[in-house]
Amino acid sequence: SQQGEEDPQALSIQEGENATMNCSYKTSINNLQWYRQNSGRGLVHLILIRSNEREKHSGRLRVTLDTSKKSSSLLITASRAADTASYFCATRFSGGYNKLIFGAGTRLAVHP
Amino acid sequence: GAVVSQHPSWVICKSGTSVKIECRSLDFQATTMFWYRQFPKQSLMLMATSNEGSKATYEQGVEKDKFLINHASLTLSTLTVTSAHPEDSSFYICSASRQGVNSNQPQHFGDGTRLSIL
Repeated sequence: SQQGEEDPQALSIQEGENATMNCSYKTSINNLQWYRQNSGRGLVHLILIRSNEREKHSGRLRVTLDTSKKSSSLLITASRAADTASYFCATRFSGGYNKLIFGAGTRLAVHP
Repeated sequence: GAVVSQHPSWVICKSGTSVKIECRSLDFQATTMFWYRQFPKQSLMLMATSNEGSKATYEQGVEKDKFLINHASLTLSTLTVTSAHPEDSSFYICSASRQGVNSNQPQHFGDGTRLSIL
């Protein structure tokens, strides 16, 4: 079964606006990762945040992690039409097992 | 450039056919690879963990006789959908990590294989 949930399921914004996606998970984790998927393609890794980190930045991306609430958020600032894609969070369990469990994903549409 | 190559990208075949999908790590050795299945507008569901030189570990509900996994080398894992039926039609994606278990390294994904069974 899937580890967590993401919201919103779909997000439609105008270019230049910020997009925020949230992810919740259920059990203890080693790290949480965000991936992007263009339609019909594989996933591209965006950013990894470890369980002992609270915030991480990469270009226009900002990720936060709140382990007490078992939640994370991905913020894309100054969005572009090219950011249109599905975004997934994925968690890696603590306890030694290497597999990733993906959230339901957020479909982001950025309109020019 | 791509670090994980998946082939073929698209397969259409008749019901009852067996289909093999290859996943290759291009510039690193992967003792572990993962196979996912994705239905339209849904998330990735982990099917199995492919372990080089040993049996794959299947997730609950995944039929191991239906989805045969072979990880014969450190750079290649294959998924064979045996006697495929229309309900097996889906998008199959593999992934691998540069480093082994317990690492804080991201997964690298292939571009996926769209399987359509008529």
